Amino acid sequence: AQKVTQAQTEISVVEKEDVTLDCVYETRDTTYYLFWYKQPPSGELVFLIRRNSFDEQNEISGRYSWNFQKSTSSFNFTITASQVVDSAVYFCALASALSTPLVFGKGTRLSVIA
Amino acid sequence: KAGVTQTPRYLIKTRGQQVTLSCSPISGHRSVSWYQQTPGQGLQFLFEYFSETQRNKGNFPGRFSGRQFSNSRSEMNVSTLELGDSALYLCASSLEGQGISGNTIYFGEGSWLTVV
Repeated sequence: AQKVTQAQTEISVVEKEDVTLDCVYETRDTTYYLFWYKQPPSGELVFLIRRNSFDEQNEISGRYSWNFQKSTSSFNFTITASQVVDSAVYFCALASALSTPLVFGKGTRLSVIA
Repeated sequence: KAGVTQTPRYLIKTRGQQVTLSCSPISGHRSVSWYQQTPGQGLQFLFEYFSETQRNKGNFPGRFSGRQFSNSRSEMNVSTLELGDSALYLCASSLEGQGISGNTIYFGEGSWLTVV
């Protein structure tokens, strides 16, 4: 069975601090895809990144960076110099290559205080 | 290009009623999936449609049903509403389907359903 664990339920940081959101996954598939989504109060899940299981390169996009480590089954997300607009619930999700549904973690609520 | 559009955004229904939610995927996308989000259970998969056929179904009772039209638009229906059906219902669209070739999956803003 596939499973995604986001151990941090809520995180609160002061603006300009760096923050890392943890994601640990379980799957027996050799090919799979990992996602991060941001959910602001409006409800929409905003796509942030997709990572393939065969590509362990870390990725940086502006203030966002992702660290994918197959050895520890983790796909962590770091926001550098956080801003109030980063306040939202962040979800990590897993999908296999076999057309199975996205399996989501419970989400981490990030509050960035000015 | 336009994103995933869901209607209505908010609705209130009474126990025992039925409700229909609509989703228009991104143009060119043929896969539409539905998810239910509640504070207690988180995000749970309901079903996926591809080319008008249900391809996957989650673990929900038969009161939850859906369909997809030839233009890829999808509807989901919940009959005999229960208080526990109160949730945010999210529609997702992708080119070929969930998990296939790692297609990026885009979500709409959701429909907030309150059952009283």
